[in-house]
Amino acid sequence: GENVEQHPSTLSVQEGDSAVIKCTYSDSASNYFPWYKQELGKRPQLIIDIRSNVGEKKDQRIAVTLNKTAKHFSLHITETQPEDSAVYFCAASTPTGTASKLTFGTGTRLQVTL
Amino acid sequence: KAGVTQTPRYLIKTRGQQVTLSCSPISGHRSVSWYQQTPGQGLQFLFEYFSETQRNKGNFPGRFSGRQFSNSRSEMNVSTLELGDSALYLCASSLVQGVGNTIYFGEGSWLTVV
Repeated sequence: GENVEQHPSTLSVQEGDSAVIKCTYSDSASNYFPWYKQELGKRPQLIIDIRSNVGEKKDQRIAVTLNKTAKHFSLHITETQPEDSAVYFCAASTPTGTASKLTFGTGTRLQVTL
Repeated sequence: KAGVTQTPRYLIKTRGQQVTLSCSPISGHRSVSWYQQTPGQGLQFLFEYFSETQRNKGNFPGRFSGRQFSNSRSEMNVSTLELGDSALYLCASSLVQGVGNTIYFGEGSWLTVV
């Protein structure tokens, strides 16, 4: 089955700096890659997603890049703010399953300090 | 539009007991999936239901089961509870089944087994 590795497990940046979280996946058939943000005690919420026919997608301060050849994708957050502090999960889904069956990375705890 | 609703939010059970968790998807969503979240194992897929049929199942023992009703509401049951079943159980819904369909999580049910 699909395996998703996520790095780093923790990340501390100063407010205004950029943060980058990287994920690799094992199944070359995977073609949908969402990112979720989970604040303490809250539900995971989708912040951005990308499909395999796209190399990059941007939404304000958040961007995701995908390298299908290398089987890795990354989340980029620019001009970080304290409210960006949370745990971020990457995930991958394959056409042999359904979008609901996502394989998640182990999460990155991002802390934005003042 | 109301989000995914899960009940109960918090519960404490004793080893050997069984528990039933309930999930109401977003109105109009027909696919419901369940995930277990623990600090050690992260987010793990349990199963997914669509049109009252289980479409996918994760690697969990038979003590974990679920069902979906004609109104798309879903329940999951865990029998013969073990200490290791203590976790946050998240329900997610999506409009239809299929890769690339965004899933939306509920707030979860916190289960503590003592």
